[in-house]
Amino acid sequence: GQQLNQSPQSMFIQEGEDVSMNCTSSSIFNTWLWYKQDPGEGPVLLIALYKAGELTSNGRLTAQFGITRKDSFLNISASIPSDVGIYFCAGQLYSGGGADGLTFGKGTHLIIQP
Amino acid sequence: SAVISQKPSRDICQRGTSLTIQCQVDSQVTMMFWYRQQPGQSLTLIATANQGSEATYESGFVIDKFPISRPNLTFSTLTVSNMSPEDSSIYLCSVGGMGGWGYTFGSGTRLTVV
Repeated sequence: GQQLNQSPQSMFIQEGEDVSMNCTSSSIFNTWLWYKQDPGEGPVLLIALYKAGELTSNGRLTAQFGITRKDSFLNISASIPSDVGIYFCAGQLYSGGGADGLTFGKGTHLIIQP
Repeated sequence: SAVISQKPSRDICQRGTSLTIQCQVDSQVTMMFWYRQQPGQSLTLIATANQGSEATYESGFVIDKFPISRPNLTFSTLTVSNMSPEDSSIYLCSVGGMGGWGYTFGSGTRLTVV
């Protein structure tokens, strides 16, 4: 099956710094999604990308769907303490039966030092 | 986006027993999915819960171990059968309409098998 390579695995940054993380795949996806998961909670959708080359923003978050459909990045500008958590990329294919379930990256653990 | 309620939120179970997890959605949805998140790991798709037909399982997951029901467009259950400590994980329900947008997750069921 598909595999997503997400990097970095963890990030230690200072409050106010910008953050960048990315995902690559050996196969294409129709949709890329970025989630944030806080302890004890399910993942919360941050940004969804549907077209190759698409660049989408959600507040301080910006994500892009790579032209090759095999990669995506997520940027967070001016990080704040509540940005701490685990960020997951996820890819989705549409098969003949409809939308498939998601394939997830291994996550980027974001730690912010005051 | 849909609101998902999962029950129970957590449980501690004896090995060899079974646990049924419920997923209730506040609106009718086409696609429902079940995921497993092992401790400190990413999410892995278990199966797609199909309304009115058998679930579609991913490689490594079988119906005898993880039977799934989907009696209508707002409800599904996942049973973890004949549990062992290796089944200790977070189990998450997710929904998504055709086209894949609005992939929302429940808050998960934290299962510990002793």
